[in-house]
Amino acid sequence: GAGVSQSPRYKVAKRGQDVALRCDPISGHVSLFWYQQALGQGPEFLTYFQNEAQLDKSGLPSDRFFAERPEGSVSTLKIQRTQQEDSAVYLCASSPKGETQYFGPGTRLLVL
Amino acid sequence: AQSVTQPDIHITVSEGASLELRCNYSYGATPYLFWYVQSPGQGLQLLLKYFSGDTLVQGIKGFEAEFKRSQSSFNLRKPSVHWSDAAEYFCAVSGGGGADGLTFGKGTHLIIQP
Repeated sequence: GAGVSQSPRYKVAKRGQDVALRCDPISGHVSLFWYQQALGQGPEFLTYFQNEAQLDKSGLPSDRFFAERPEGSVSTLKIQRTQQEDSAVYLCASSPKGETQYFGPGTRLLVL
Repeated sequence: AQSVTQPDIHITVSEGASLELRCNYSYGATPYLFWYVQSPGQGLQLLLKYFSGDTLVQGIKGFEAEFKRSQSSFNLRKPSVHWSDAAEYFCAVSGGGGADGLTFGKGTHLIIQP
């Protein structure tokens, strides 16, 4: 079956621009997670949704980061006024109930 | 707070040789443990997981891992590596409650020598 998909795969933004990253989870998966992976590092947790409810956003690095999942399926991670330190790969994962997470290919964001 | 340590940043192994990648974790209760593999430009693929029961778990691509509570370890092994195993390997831990984000180690880069 279809896995987790993310778009765009690559995004180049000028410093100060807003960006929106999309995640399409596996159909029927209740849980959805976003992670940020800096170059040469392991992924770091950003936020978690159960259906449309955002239950944990403790990992969001600043109030410039915002995530939503309004209908409990597709999710969007938005970064306002991008900074160079936001350059990273943003990974989305979905899970039937939360224990095992299945990852998408990621969006590589480069802020110039 | 939970944490994961992968002590080896890089490991070089000859094709056909055995492999062991180390992972140590810190977690207050019984953890859920995972190994993921990431090829260049790709997302993370789940190799195997441990939730409970038999401490030796089998995964895909011929990998296995052993949970040792006394050593807080979950090392990944493969008896004979193939050139296609060259990738970045990540160990991860969660509380398993269904609402926990994963905590990852920094990864081990596996290089396969011909």
